[in-house]
Amino acid sequence: EVQLVQSGAEVKKPGESLKISCKGSGYSFTSYWIGWVRQMPGKGLEWMGIIYPGDSDTRYSPSFQGQVTISADKSISTAYLQWSSLKASDTAMYYCARAPGVPAAVDYWGQGTLVTVSS
Amino acid sequence: NFMLTQPHSVSESPGKTVTISCTRSSGSIASNYVQWYQQRPGSSPTTVIYEDNQRPSGVPDRFSGSIDSSSNSASLTISGLKTEDEADYYCQSYDSSIHWVFGGGTKLTVL
Repeated sequence: EVQLVQSGAEVKKPGESLKISCKGSGYSFTSYWIGWVRQMPGKGLEWMGIIYPGDSDTRYSPSFQGQVTISADKSISTAYLQWSSLKASDTAMYYCARAPGVPAAVDYWGQGTLVTVSS
Repeated sequence: NFMLTQPHSVSESPGKTVTISCTRSSGSIASNYVQWYQQRPGSSPTTVIYEDNQRPSGVPDRFSGSIDSSSNSASLTISGLKTEDEADYYCQSYDSSIHWVFGGGTKLTVL
């Protein structure tokens, strides 16, 4: 069974760093792309970027380029989304999602990681 | 780049049919596939339509997708509405850089 299991909710202060994770199982992790999607409270879905764990090919939305870093460790089938300095406006739910290619539809979603940034 | 515009909300009665539109602001709607995702309250999104009109296994055939080049839009049609269909629906496509583009989402109320 294909699963994307994300790390748990985080509460951070502005200026702190954070790395959240998305662990894939039940499939060949290096053969599928993993995308990250932000959903701010009460708002819609926003695409942040995508990585191919097989060769670490990474593409970012212009809106998020330079604001976050997407990476993957194929030895443990895990993708990451990280911030070096969080802002209150980063408060959101973050979803990882699997896609068989680019372009291709998402076929599996993670359960989401809620990030709250507050002083 | 382009935008995908959806109605903010739609409502319909159980058993009826509803159609949600997704209009592409520039470039042809047919140039890249359109997907539709359902997000029930408090849950992750799930895919209900991919590649314009394909249903993943497990999605009932009450859900169908289409594109219309004349209006440069995609549509999600749900027939025989059930209360469990009440959710937010998002269309999604790609730009020339293979970046994902989401519509703003449509809240479907089944009343």
